[in-house]
Amino acid sequence: AQSVTQLDSQVPVFEEAPVELRCNYSSSVSVYLFWYVQYPNQGLQLLLKYLSGSTLVKGINGFEAEFNKSQTSFHLRKPSVHISDTAEYFCAVSDVGGADGLTFGKGTHLIIQP
Amino acid sequence: GAVVSQHPSWVICKSGTSVKIECRSLDFQATTMFWYRQFPKQSLMLMATSNEGSKATYEQGVEKDKFLINHASLTLSTLTVTSAHPEDSSFYICSASREGFGEQYFGPGTRLTVT
Repeated sequence: AQSVTQLDSQVPVFEEAPVELRCNYSSSVSVYLFWYVQYPNQGLQLLLKYLSGSTLVKGINGFEAEFNKSQTSFHLRKPSVHISDTAEYFCAVSDVGGADGLTFGKGTHLIIQP
Repeated sequence: GAVVSQHPSWVICKSGTSVKIECRSLDFQATTMFWYRQFPKQSLMLMATSNEGSKATYEQGVEKDKFLINHASLTLSTLTVTSAHPEDSSFYICSASREGFGEQYFGPGTRLTVT
């Protein structure tokens, strides 16, 4: 069984400041890791993914994440946030191959303050 | 590429009736399709996994007879909520994956309201 922990349910940040959204996972097998963003009343948009290779992954909208196997973490970062980044962010894990569904964290609500 | 659509995007039905939600992969063949459920201000929970031509695999606690899943082709899966009740009101999201690709592609979701 897999699990994902997003410790911060809500993160307020001032505009143009850096942000880090934390994600830790638990799994007995090798995993794929994902970050998704969800705007109000919309579906999920993939920000970035780690399948293999370089542990530093760059995604859309200036986001990046680093896979740390020893710490079982996949924290999401952005050096300078904008008002438009206000949304719900979900970290998710699947087994390698993706034959099973994704296990999602509870989500982190990123609030950008002017 | 890798676009997934859902229909309808929003549906209201009366308690006791059934409603069908379609999930289509528009530009690829989906070896596996997944159905998730999301309550307001909560995370997504996997309901079931389906492969074309096979019976769906349901997660623990999901009623098979209430949530009927049919994966009739490599581009279409349907979720039928039978005898819907207000507690079934939720946001239902499907996703699809391709063989050899590790990620899932998500549909835009269907908001179901049962009155």
